Amino acid sequence: AQKVTQAQTEISVVEKEDVTLDCVYETRDTTYYLFWYKQPPSGELVFLIRRNSFDEQNEISGRYSWNFQKSTSSFNFTITASQVVDSAVYFCALQAGNNRKLIWGLGTSLAVNP
Amino acid sequence: DAGVIQSPRHEVTEMGQEVTLRCKPISGHNSLFWYRQTMMRGLELLIYFNNNVPIDDSGMPEDRFSAKMPNASFSTLKIQPSEPRDSAVYFCASSLSDRREQYFGPGTRLTVT
Repeated sequence: AQKVTQAQTEISVVEKEDVTLDCVYETRDTTYYLFWYKQPPSGELVFLIRRNSFDEQNEISGRYSWNFQKSTSSFNFTITASQVVDSAVYFCALQAGNNRKLIWGLGTSLAVNP
Repeated sequence: DAGVIQSPRHEVTEMGQEVTLRCKPISGHNSLFWYRQTMMRGLELLIYFNNNVPIDDSGMPEDRFSAKMPNASFSTLKIQPSEPRDSAVYFCASSLSDRREQYFGPGTRLTVT
């Protein structure tokens, strides 16, 4: 079975704090893909990153960074020096094997307060 | 470039009425996905098409739901008859078949009273 767990339902931080959003996944497929999406208050879903199971390199994009660890089946997302505009619900998702279906976590609601 | 376009953005209808949601994928994308988002169940895939052919419709709740993709630039999701429990945000997404990431439209917020 495939599953994505985002244990943190809500996180509240003060602007400029660093924050890490956790994602743990389960799959028996050896080839899989992991994603993060952002859903701001306006409601749209914005693609942030995709990671392949065979590429464990961490990635940094501006204030965003992602830590992929197969040993712990985790794909965590860190926002450095958070800003109010980062306030959103963040979803982690999994695609396994040849299936294009995205398996979603329940999301983490991040509130960045001024 | 235009993203995924969905219409209407909001729909309020009475129980028993037919509802049709529309989607135009990103030009050149050949995979199209319909998702539903509710507080109780989160995001769920309803159906997806590849090159206009339905590939996986296992997420379609019941026979009241149907989806079509008559051409590469248009898809519909129909609910007939609608019920209050169908109230949700319905998202359409598209992707290139050789890429894994999906790009989402703004969603249609459906309220069935």
